[in-house]
Amino acid sequence: DAGVIQSPRHEVTEMGQEVTLRCKPISGHNSLFWYRQTMMRGLELLIYFNNNVPIDDSGMPEDRFSAKMPNASFSTLKIQPSEPRDSAVYFCASSFQGGNTEAFFGQGTRLTVV
Amino acid sequence: QKEVEQNSGPLSVPEGAIASLNCTYSDRGSQSFFWYRQYSGKSPELIMSIYSNGDKEDGRFTAQLNKASQYVSLLIRDSQPSDSATYLCAVNMGGGAQKLVFGQGTRLTINP
Repeated sequence: DAGVIQSPRHEVTEMGQEVTLRCKPISGHNSLFWYRQTMMRGLELLIYFNNNVPIDDSGMPEDRFSAKMPNASFSTLKIQPSEPRDSAVYFCASSFQGGNTEAFFGQGTRLTVV
Repeated sequence: QKEVEQNSGPLSVPEGAIASLNCTYSDRGSQSFFWYRQYSGKSPELIMSIYSNGDKEDGRFTAQLNKASQYVSLLIRDSQPSDSATYLCAVNMGGGAQKLVFGQGTRLTINP
């Protein structure tokens, strides 16, 4: 298996623009997590899905952030409009609920908003 | 109170010594506990999982869990310079669906 695949690996955008981050979980996994990592706040859970359904989005910082999972093999995290304080590394992770529940991470997307 | 707490360090340990990393969590109903290692500029990598009270050993790594005290630890024996990284404690919070929450991480440096 190729593991969790995220795209793009790097994104530089101007303040006010829309940013879409993409994630393909490991085949067979039914839980998907979006995290944001910064030096100040560490690894924050933004939202997680179980069987394509959003379960807990309490970590989403504000309405500018939204996430979708239209099917078991694809999820997006969108920021509209983007702000400089959104600059961070965004990770996607997936796991199989009902098994060992171990989560595996993608390579991350480094977002810079200027 | 944070859901998962770790001492952010940095923790400095001489090569060959034992490194001890600690973590506490708030949700008494939590059932699954994990340690991840993250090298600078890389993604977190799972190194240990533990689900029941006691010790679990895997090579030079030992995870310890005490649910009564809501405490998880990771011991690294015979520390090597390649063990220098940030170690993240993760807890699958209680409840039917997963909510995997991470601590801030402890930065570990092994000095040759």
